[in-house]
Amino acid sequence: DQQVKQNSPSLSVQEGRISILNCDYTNSMFDYFLWYKKYPAEGPTFLISISSIKDKNEDGRFTVFLNKSAKHLSLHIVPSQPGDSAVYFCAARPFSGGYNKLIFGAGTRLAVHP
Amino acid sequence: AAGVIQSPRHLIKEKRETATLKCYPIPRHDTVYWYQQGPGQDPQFLISFYEKMQSDKGSIPDRFSAQQFSDYHSELNMSSLELGDSALYFCASSLGRLAGGGEQFFGPGTRLTVL
Repeated sequence: DQQVKQNSPSLSVQEGRISILNCDYTNSMFDYFLWYKKYPAEGPTFLISISSIKDKNEDGRFTVFLNKSAKHLSLHIVPSQPGDSAVYFCAARPFSGGYNKLIFGAGTRLAVHP
Repeated sequence: AAGVIQSPRHLIKEKRETATLKCYPIPRHDTVYWYQQGPGQDPQFLISFYEKMQSDKGSIPDRFSAQQFSDYHSELNMSSLELGDSALYFCASSLGRLAGGGEQFFGPGTRLTVL
């Protein structure tokens, strides 16, 4: 059963506009949510995270919003740049199991075009 | 800044052979994680180590084993390889199990192909 879901496999956005990537989760036993960016032939690169006790975290062009009642989080990138084109993974860290593992979504491929 | 190093980057093996993947964490990081990413799939957690002790275990087959050494590097040993083991294997590291915002830093991965 997929606990972290990214229902949009791809997203295309024009340069300079806002990119919004969405993620849903199915249980409440996560203490942190994270976003990773992945280029081909590279490992995932950590972007930004948010604690389950917060509803917003901002870092430069990246903002993550958490809606606990809807079990939904989103990553906003503004303004979008061509270099942002990559696969974006949403991940969650469960309370249990030693706080160790991350559970990933299937990823969303973002294409930012001029 | 130093990143997570994985070797080899590519590995081709035959069915029923064995393979050893190595991971060198970021200096001073004491926690290592292994993930498997199949074609078109999300990374799946396999196993993790904190201070050389197994910390958490995920969907790791019994044919696989791993350990963390005194210098904090880790090795993933895979035996009786099957076609379905073909995947990208990522290692990640963090400082402490409860690392701040949960962030783990990933290596570039080892692409294993089983023929």
